[in-house]
Amino acid sequence: DVKVTQSSRYLVKRTGEKVFLECVQDMDHENMFWYRQDPGLGLRLIYFSYDVKMKEKGDIPEGYSVSREKKERFSLILESASTNQTSMYLCASRGPRDFNQPQHFGDGTRLSIL
Amino acid sequence: SQQGEEDPQALSIQEGENATMNCSYKTSINNLQWYRQNSGRGLVHLILIRSNEREKHSGRLRVTLDTSKKSSSLLITASRAADTASYFCATDSNFGNEKLTFGTGTRLTIIP
Repeated sequence: DVKVTQSSRYLVKRTGEKVFLECVQDMDHENMFWYRQDPGLGLRLIYFSYDVKMKEKGDIPEGYSVSREKKERFSLILESASTNQTSMYLCASRGPRDFNQPQHFGDGTRLSIL
Repeated sequence: SQQGEEDPQALSIQEGENATMNCSYKTSINNLQWYRQNSGRGLVHLILIRSNEREKHSGRLRVTLDTSKKSSSLLITASRAADTASYFCATDSNFGNEKLTFGTGTRLTIIP
């Protein structure tokens, strides 16, 4: 089974801090994704990566950046955290560029910015 | 409304009954996927139906797809307390990128 591991289940940070959320997958997947989930808004894609050092903006990239230095690891960075970035963050991975494959999710990081 | 919008937003049924959730979308798709999310956890993939398929089964799950109406339904038969969760549909467009578009979900509660 595919395992996607997010480094923290819960995280509390202060406004203005630089925040790193880490995600690791163990299936050698090319594609990795970061979403945020807010009540009533569903999942919204922040960034995704289809290869090492490659990234593409999703629907809501403002205030975020990402890093993919190794295939198994995809990091989401909040450059200067703000209270409106309090949310549930979900990482996912998917195999080769074949549209008929599901995404595999981690358990999420619930981030609170005070 | 959003691509991949579920209906109803919330559903409560007695254990043993069947639960039906619907999803509507706007653009052409390669496939449509259904996911389950238990409270405070990540999403778990349930079933994927390709655009050229009309119905698919997996255990107690039955998914239908009507591309002419841009809609899908998920039926869970003989519901159990463990089916209590949020259910999301997600569409994989045929515009050549990796993006899935998720709906806002249906919150299903099974009453024992």
